[in-house]
Amino acid sequence: DARVTQTPRHKVTEMGQEVTMRCQPILGHNTVFWYRQTMMQGLELLAYFRNRAPLDDSGMPKDRFSAEMPDATLATLKIQPSEPRDSAVYFCASGLVPGTISSYEQYFGPGTRLTVT
Amino acid sequence: AQKITQTQPGMFVQEKEAVTLDCTYDTSDPSYGLFWYKQPSSGEMIFLIYQGSYDQQNATEGRYSLNFQKARKSANLVISASQLGDSAMYFCAMKRFEGAQKLVFGQGTRLTINP
Repeated sequence: DARVTQTPRHKVTEMGQEVTMRCQPILGHNTVFWYRQTMMQGLELLAYFRNRAPLDDSGMPKDRFSAEMPDATLATLKIQPSEPRDSAVYFCASGLVPGTISSYEQYFGPGTRLTVT
Repeated sequence: AQKITQTQPGMFVQEKEAVTLDCTYDTSDPSYGLFWYKQPSSGEMIFLIYQGSYDQQNATEGRYSLNFQKARKSANLVISASQLGDSAMYFCAMKRFEGAQKLVFGQGTRLTINP
């Protein structure tokens, strides 16, 4: 049963510290998305990659956030320095584009719950 | 710009009853996809059902069906014979098929199934 994996599942850190979240997309998927979920903003896209190239990171605060795909099996999202307002659940999702109709959906990982104190 | 509106912040339904979760969308794209995801209290996002804008028939997946009314720009989720395990947040989302293919989500509806 292919799944998107994310590590860590939970992270508590102090303001100013660097945070790195990792995602392993489903093997064969060529598109990776990073979403952030908060009570106030709901689910919002931060960045997405296709074939490891960044296509859209307009939702990401550029001064402190960075997203990369060093290889096809790993996507990372870094926050440096972290701030309390970054506290949220960060989801990674992967998909296949273009794909068959049945593959239009994005498969989500379990999320990383980040708390910045 | 795309926008998804879910007007029901919360719904309470008796077990075994059918429930309809509302979703309206706004887009100028000629082709797009509509999705429903379930988020239980454990937090993961579970894909439920997909409807393409050019699909002639409404999508169905087991107890889930999507009532797609293109002219009204609505894509309501119908859950038949609700179960206690259906209690969760439900998100409607859409994706364009040209250009940026990100999912745009609604604010969600919290569904509670009462025994």
